[in-house]
Amino acid sequence: AQTVTQSQPEMSVQEAETVTLSCTYDTSESDYYLFWYKQPPSRQMILVIRQEAYKQQNATENRFSVNFQKAAKSFSLKISDSQLGDAAMYFCAYRSAGNQFYFGTGTSLTVIP
Amino acid sequence: DTGVSQDPRHKITKRGQNVTFRCDPISEHNRLYWYRQTLGQGPEFLTYFQNEAQLEKSRLLSDRFSAERPKGSFSTLEIQRTEQGDSAMYLCASSLRWQGATDTQYFGPGTRLTVL
Repeated sequence: AQTVTQSQPEMSVQEAETVTLSCTYDTSESDYYLFWYKQPPSRQMILVIRQEAYKQQNATENRFSVNFQKAAKSFSLKISDSQLGDAAMYFCAYRSAGNQFYFGTGTSLTVIP
Repeated sequence: DTGVSQDPRHKITKRGQNVTFRCDPISEHNRLYWYRQTLGQGPEFLTYFQNEAQLEKSRLLSDRFSAERPKGSFSTLEIQRTEQGDSAMYLCASSLRWQGATDTQYFGPGTRLTVL
């Protein structure tokens, strides 16, 4: 089975600074998708960014970008110009070819004013 | 609000009782997913439907768990003979799958189950 590992249980960043959240995964598949989700306290999980494994170009969404290293099975999330509203739990997720989703244990991000 | 809704938001039950949760997806979404999330963990995939067909079930889904999506719209998740280990947040998500597109899941607020 696929596994997703987030090795940073907690991270903090100064407002307006940049932070990178790490994610690694284990798979034998060649076709899959990767996602970062954000779960604010007591609020619904929302999609931040996604990456198709067949695409070499790293995905970007405004202040959010990823560093996708397929050979290394690494998928990190970079948040630029951090804002107070970015404070949340961030989950990395892997979607298999069979459409099963596997989530990491999450990284709690604190933004310091 | 046209997002994914779940009912109830909280459920407290005694061990051994049966519980049923409901999920209403975004109206045009053809895929619906159920997850379980315990404190300090990421969501664990339980099952998913495409329209009314249940296409995948996790090995986590014991015989006490059953899910239905009878008309391809709302879905129910039933847990029979609840155990204390079933205490968790149960999340529902929906997505629209169409040819050539990567479907994006939209999550509901979850149902928090506490088994006493």
